[in-house]
Amino acid sequence: EPEVTQTPSHQVTQMGQEVILRCVPISNHLYFYWYRQILGQKVEFLVSFYNNEISEKSEIFDDQFSVERPDGSNFTLKIRSTKLEDSAMYFCASSPRARAYEQYFGPGTRLTVT
Amino acid sequence: KQEVTQIPAALSVPEGENLVLNCSFTDSAIYNLQWFRQDPGKGLTSLLLIQSSQREQTSGRLNASLDKSSGRSTLYIAASQPGDSATYLCAVMDRGSTLGRLYFGRGTQLTVWP
Repeated sequence: EPEVTQTPSHQVTQMGQEVILRCVPISNHLYFYWYRQILGQKVEFLVSFYNNEISEKSEIFDDQFSVERPDGSNFTLKIRSTKLEDSAMYFCASSPRARAYEQYFGPGTRLTVT
Repeated sequence: KQEVTQIPAALSVPEGENLVLNCSFTDSAIYNLQWFRQDPGKGLTSLLLIQSSQREQTSGRLNASLDKSSGRSTLYIAASQPGDSATYLCAVMDRGSTLGRLYFGRGTQLTVWP
């Protein structure tokens, strides 16, 4: 069964460094999402993406964050200058259709900022 | 803004018990509601998706119901097993979002002991 994959599974970085988290959505899906979960907290929406454009972003997704679909298979989340509070599990999700359809989640990337 | 609440926060039961996990949401304008399982440090495994027009969905020992007008859902687990031990998350897809933003509850941490 097709799956969403994410790399790396764990990334450790120093405060102020740039990180890129990578996702490979399910191949025929057109809608892509990033969520994050700080340890012990709720899973929170960051951004949704369709047709090479951001569709919606939350208040968390500030100018330090960006997303890109650099080719036909990858979907990336970049954090330009990481802060300690960016430490979290980041989940990518994809969906074949918008709105009423199920979102399929990847296994997550654990980001640790020291 | 949509708020999702899950009760109880934690539950510890002996093997074989039938369980009910509760989820409530503040805005009934949703596309669907999804139940997930999350093992410690791991990703999100989708268990059941209920569309807003449906009342319930079943998968094996799991049954989820939805009462959209009252903003409630329950996840019923029959004949619980130690392997069911995990955190169970409820998420609603809000009609106010463009591509289907999910709002998550904090989860119910379930422990089933032999």
